[in-house]
Amino acid sequence: TQLLEQSPQFLSIQEGENLTVYCNSSSVFSSLQWYRQEPGEGPVLLVTVVTGGEVKKLKRLTFQFGDARKDSSLHITAAQPGDTGLYLCAGGGFQKLVFGTGTRLLVSP
Amino acid sequence: DADVTQTPRNRITKTGKRIMLECSQTKGHDRMYWYRQDPGLGLRLIYYSFDVKDINKGEISDGYSVSRQAQAKFSLSLESAIPNQTALYFCATSVQGFAGELFFGEGSRLTVL
Repeated sequence: TQLLEQSPQFLSIQEGENLTVYCNSSSVFSSLQWYRQEPGEGPVLLVTVVTGGEVKKLKRLTFQFGDARKDSSLHITAAQPGDTGLYLCAGGGFQKLVFGTGTRLLVSP
Repeated sequence: DADVTQTPRNRITKTGKRIMLECSQTKGHDRMYWYRQDPGLGLRLIYYSFDVKDINKGEISDGYSVSRQAQAKFSLSLESAIPNQTALYFCATSVQGFAGELFFGEGSRLTVL
């Protein structure tokens, strides 16, 4: 079974701080997706990365896919309360999409 | 209105009862999925369907069954609910299967006593 481990599991920070969330696996994935889930809602896609070493930026969020396509990171600059939520990575392969264990982020004003 | 609608949103039931969770979508996607979410375990795939005549087991299908009544409707059944099936259940749709974006419903919280 392919596993995607995310770290940290929980992160509580103050508004304005920077943070990085990691998504690691021993398996190679053809693509890596990042979702954000807010309370009472389903996950919503933030980004998909498909090339080893790829970096994508979405406003204050920077996503990177590892060179070997086994890991990924999400960096948030100057976090805001609106960034609060559960962040999930998901690795795509043949006939499957494996979700990570999740990182719960709380950004306080 | 949500593009992917799940009913009920919350349900409390007793061990041994039959439960059906329903999902309907207006996105026109052929591919539909049922996931289960537990704290610390992420989302795990229960069943998926790539068209009306196609049903496939996911990684945790034991104790569950599904029915694809139409392109827009995909229901999940627990024939005899047990407490460890207490979880948050999500229906999702996609255009491209496992390589593409998943569009999730708002979830159905099930508690089995």
